[in-house]
Amino acid sequence: VQLVESGGGVVQPGRSLRLSCAASEFSFSIYDMHWVRQAPGKGLEWVTTISYDGSDKYYVDSVKGRFTISRDNSKNTLYLQMNSLRAEDTAVYYCARDAYSTSDWGQGTLVTVSS
Amino acid sequence: DIQMTQSPSSLSASVGDRVTITCRASQGIRNDLGWYQQKPGKAPKRLIYAASSLQSGVPSRFSGSGSGTEFTLTISSLQPEDFAIYYCLQHNSYPWTFGQGTKVEIK
Repeated sequence: VQLVESGGGVVQPGRSLRLSCAASEFSFSIYDMHWVRQAPGKGLEWVTTISYDGSDKYYVDSVKGRFTISRDNSKNTLYLQMNSLRAEDTAVYYCARDAYSTSDWGQGTLVTVSS
Repeated sequence: DIQMTQSPSSLSASVGDRVTITCRASQGIRNDLGWYQQKPGKAPKRLIYAASSLQSGVPSRFSGSGSGTEFTLTISSLQPEDFAIYYCLQHNSYPWTFGQGTKVEIK
């Protein structure tokens, strides 16, 4: 199983960024997928989940209305569109498949929001 | 939202020690809880799912117990590679929430 995040970088406050997570070696289209983040030196924070078919989406309150999770099952890819970024969104963002008996995480991609 | 209170926040232990970490949920979550280990610069790795089931490939010195609001992770005999930060995660209801983490350090 491989989950490879990309799209991180340095961005100014108020700007946008889109993260991608390319999945391989498993049946991507049958699993709910998640984004979890970790601010520098801090603990883990669940950010958002999308159901296997994209019909259901859930967000932590702090990103509601600013972040959008989506997926393309034909491309085995998960996305996180992040708008109106704030300094407090600075973190390593992990994509994860965290099902009942299986758990796989990507290596993470760093997003730094700074002027 | 369900709050997960994890304790202790840190502990010092020696190789061979028995270590116990606790997570308390602010309301009942059945057994919808996992335990994760994170080493510096690495992604978290799940050790326990459904509160007490050992993830495939994880050493048997790790065990989990509990249901409802009180959960424990036990390392029966601490090994050098176990020094890390441990987190619990409830997935009973959204938003999913992690405990604050427990840093296990070498005494």
